[in-house]
Amino acid sequence: QKEVEQDPGPLSVPEGAIVSLNCTYSNSAFQYFMWYRQYSRKGPELLMYTYSSGNKEDGRFTAQVDKSSKYISLFIRDSQPSDSATYLCATLDRGSTLGRLYFGRGTQLTVWP
Amino acid sequence: KAGVTQTPRYLIKTRGQQVTLSCSPISGHRSVSWYQQTPGQGLQFLFEYFSETQRNKGNFPGRFSGRQFSNSRSEMNVSTLELGDSALYLCASRPSDRDSSGANVLTFGAGSRLTVL
Repeated sequence: QKEVEQDPGPLSVPEGAIVSLNCTYSNSAFQYFMWYRQYSRKGPELLMYTYSSGNKEDGRFTAQVDKSSKYISLFIRDSQPSDSATYLCATLDRGSTLGRLYFGRGTQLTVWP
Repeated sequence: KAGVTQTPRYLIKTRGQQVTLSCSPISGHRSVSWYQQTPGQGLQFLFEYFSETQRNKGNFPGRFSGRQFSNSRSEMNVSTLELGDSALYLCASRPSDRDSSGANVLTFGAGSRLTVL
């Protein structure tokens, strides 16, 4: 079993829709949670970084962490065609070195106009 | 500020050959990590370097090796290439070794896409 599970999709939504992306993880030692966005032929870029359970909002993006159920989510409000990309969840083990992230396989999102 | 620079961006090799990939981290970043990305496995951790020392290594065979230079630039080498080594190899850097805040999260380069024939 992979440490982080993520539905690869693909997910296709109309412009303006609310998008929900989800991951589950298995190791309770995971303490830091990130969402990266990866456009085609590019490297992943950091979208959100959270530490504790709860919600963190940044513009149209909201990251949610529920440590009790080991569940992390990313919500995108008023989705735009420019949001079309692969979204990767990632976690960090507090006992490991900080450069070692555990990634989900990524969810491919298409937002059509 | 320049981002993480990886060279070459694309390369084609044949089975049995070896390849060296280069990574220049963001100026001032001292920690470099390498990842392999494939459609089947996603992003998998290869290794991490800080101040020329390997700090952590993922579950890859010994054919995969790396090093970091005094200027923080890093290289990874894959010897005796196999078809399954075809992947996007991503380098990422971060400023320091101990800070676990959001300011110290990995910044990725665009990757080197390796095709093994």
